[in-house]
Amino acid sequence: SAVISQKPSRDICQRGTSLTIQCQVDSQVTMMFWYRQQPGQSLTLIATANQGSEATYESGFVIDKFPISRPNLTFSTLTVSNMSPEDSSIYLCSVNSFYGYTFGSGTRLTVV
Amino acid sequence: QQPVQSPQAVILREGEDAVINCSSSKALYSVHWYRQKHGEAPVFLMILLKGGEQKGHEKISASFNEKKQQSSLYLTASQLSYSGTYFCGTEIGGFGNEKLTFGTGTRLTIIP
Repeated sequence: SAVISQKPSRDICQRGTSLTIQCQVDSQVTMMFWYRQQPGQSLTLIATANQGSEATYESGFVIDKFPISRPNLTFSTLTVSNMSPEDSSIYLCSVNSFYGYTFGSGTRLTVV
Repeated sequence: QQPVQSPQAVILREGEDAVINCSSSKALYSVHWYRQKHGEAPVFLMILLKGGEQKGHEKISASFNEKKQQSSLYLTASQLSYSGTYFCGTEIGGFGNEKLTFGTGTRLTIIP
């Protein structure tokens, strides 16, 4: 299965600022997925990122708040913009393969 | 609509069996099962495709009732390492339309 390197692993940010999370996959993949997991909760899909096209966002998530880049088949970034304490969460990227979905190790974001 | 899992939490003694249920309001293409330990990313356990199959993985197996849009995960002779939160994940689209929606989660605690 694919191996995903995600960074940063954690960060503490001031409200009103932005944070960019990066995911690097060790193989080429068509789709990459970005999830958010609030403490003690399930994972919620933010958006699906295809290389060469705009990301597809789920209900409740908008591009201005969570811009995504997908410059090639092995890399993607998610930016959390104009952060507020409500954005404090764990953000995970994921790819699909024959062996199910594989996840990055997650970025634990705290907004103060 | 997020799949609903039951029970929400269960505590077992080592060696006991457990069943975790996942119910969807939508017709499903596939059901995945994942285990997530505290502070870690979810780990893929197995996938079941529509067709009503049952799969096994060591002492962990699962079934998928396509007509009822339900899946169950069976844990037999539980071990301490089985502790964690279990999530089902459902896909309603097939190849090329992958998008995994996670269930509400079941926290499993195994005590010696």
